[in-house]
Amino acid sequence: NAGVTQTPKFQVLKTGQSMTLQCAQDMNHEYMSWYRQDPGMGLRLIHYSVGAGITDQGEVPNGYNVSRSTTEDFPLRLLSAAPSQTSVYFCASTKWQGDTEAFFGQGTRLTVV
Amino acid sequence: KNEVEQSPQNLTAQEGEFITINCSYSVGISALHWLQQHPGGGIVSLFMLSSGKKKHGRLIATINIQEKHSSLHITASHPRDSAVYICAVRSNTGNQFYFGTGTSLTVIP
Repeated sequence: NAGVTQTPKFQVLKTGQSMTLQCAQDMNHEYMSWYRQDPGMGLRLIHYSVGAGITDQGEVPNGYNVSRSTTEDFPLRLLSAAPSQTSVYFCASTKWQGDTEAFFGQGTRLTVV
Repeated sequence: KNEVEQSPQNLTAQEGEFITINCSYSVGISALHWLQQHPGGGIVSLFMLSSGKKKHGRLIATINIQEKHSSLHITASHPRDSAVYICAVRSNTGNQFYFGTGTSLTVIP
């Protein structure tokens, strides 16, 4: 089925551990992005990519790295997890421009202890 | 300052009631999205609007580009409509999405 596949769904990390959240889409979308969702706040953009080999920072990029080696995949890396990174993370994809529908992954609930 | 403001933040309704959720935005947009997020679940796109009105079942979404305002209406609400509804706009400069903080809707049987 077409859509955005995001894994894992849940994760608990210890402070200082590293992990990668996976995101893949099979719709040939140019634009992929990562958001975090925290209570009382709208989704905030962490990093985004407008195509393979191109990434850029969003509103809250510190502590996160991304890469876009293929059109399909856009992993988000936490190199040294901190309790402040406890959040729900969503990956999204859409065509690069215009009034086109956005597709979201199922979300990853991350707890850093 | 939030680029997207939603109201109300929380809404409780009796089954069968007509519900309206409002969204105002301050940036130029190429599209506005209404999203639904169920408890513990992912985010689903309900509507994407760049003008006028769209209807899908009991859900109706309208947008007024001049006033920078959109509404999501639910007719004959049902407990299964209980969810968080999020308004998101896509900027027409840079293509970035801005999100409202969501409206938590509870429909009581």
